[in-house]
Amino acid sequence: GAVVSQHPSRVICKSGTSVKIECRSLDFQATTMFWYRQFPKQSLMLMATSNEGSKATYEQGVEKDKFLINHASLTLSTLTVTSAHPEDSSFYICSARDRDRYYTFGSGTRLTVV
Amino acid sequence: TQLLEQSPQFLSIQEGENLTVYCNSSSVFSSLQWYRQEPGEGPVLLVTVVTGGEVKKLKRLTFQFGDARKDSSLHITAAQPGDTGLYLCAGADGTASKLTFGTGTRLQVTL
Repeated sequence: GAVVSQHPSRVICKSGTSVKIECRSLDFQATTMFWYRQFPKQSLMLMATSNEGSKATYEQGVEKDKFLINHASLTLSTLTVTSAHPEDSSFYICSARDRDRYYTFGSGTRLTVV
Repeated sequence: TQLLEQSPQFLSIQEGENLTVYCNSSSVFSSLQWYRQEPGEGPVLLVTVVTGGEVKKLKRLTFQFGDARKDSSLHITAAQPGDTGLYLCAGADGTASKLTFGTGTRLQVTL
C-alpha cells in the first residue's frame, strides 16, 4: 500500500530557532499534500494545502510567514516552523493525496519548543 | 465552514460490550472516511463510504453513511482492548480538495 514517510518523528528546539519537517510519498506521486496540527486529546486541524509547484493555500488563522510550506516535487513537501515559540509545540501530521484522491497520512512529528 | 461533530467525545467500556459512535454535520459530503489513531501516530484509514445509506462492515466494525450524506455512524460489536484509540470521521467536499476532520471520539476498552 501507499506509504508516507514523515521526518523527524520527534524534535526539540530552542525558542527562536526554525525547524523543518519533511513529508515524502515513497511509492506514489502526491498531487496534493496537506499539513495538519493536533493538540493533545484533540482532533486534526488543517493548516494548509500544497500542490506541487505552486504556493500553498493556508487555512484561516494560520500564519503563512510562520509556517512555510514548500512542495518542490510530487513526492516531497516540507513544513518549516520559523522563529518557533513554546506555543508552537504540537503534533504535526502530513497527508498526501494521489491522483485517485486516496489520502495517506504520515506518522507525525512531535515538536517541543523550549 | 464545514463542521463535523462526533459523539460521544469519550467512551470507556469493558471488553465484550458494544458501542456506537456518531458523526454529524449540517453539510453534505461527497464521501466520508473513518480513521483510527493511536498516540504518537498518524491516523489510519478504516473505511470510506460514498453512497447515501451505504453500510460497510469490517470484521466487528459496521459503518453507515446517512441517506442525506450528512452523517455517519460506527458501530463496534464485542469491543476488545485492541480497539482502544481515537476514532475520527472525516468528510470530503464535492471536489474532494480536502478533508474536514470530526471532533474525535476517544475509546478506551478495558479487560
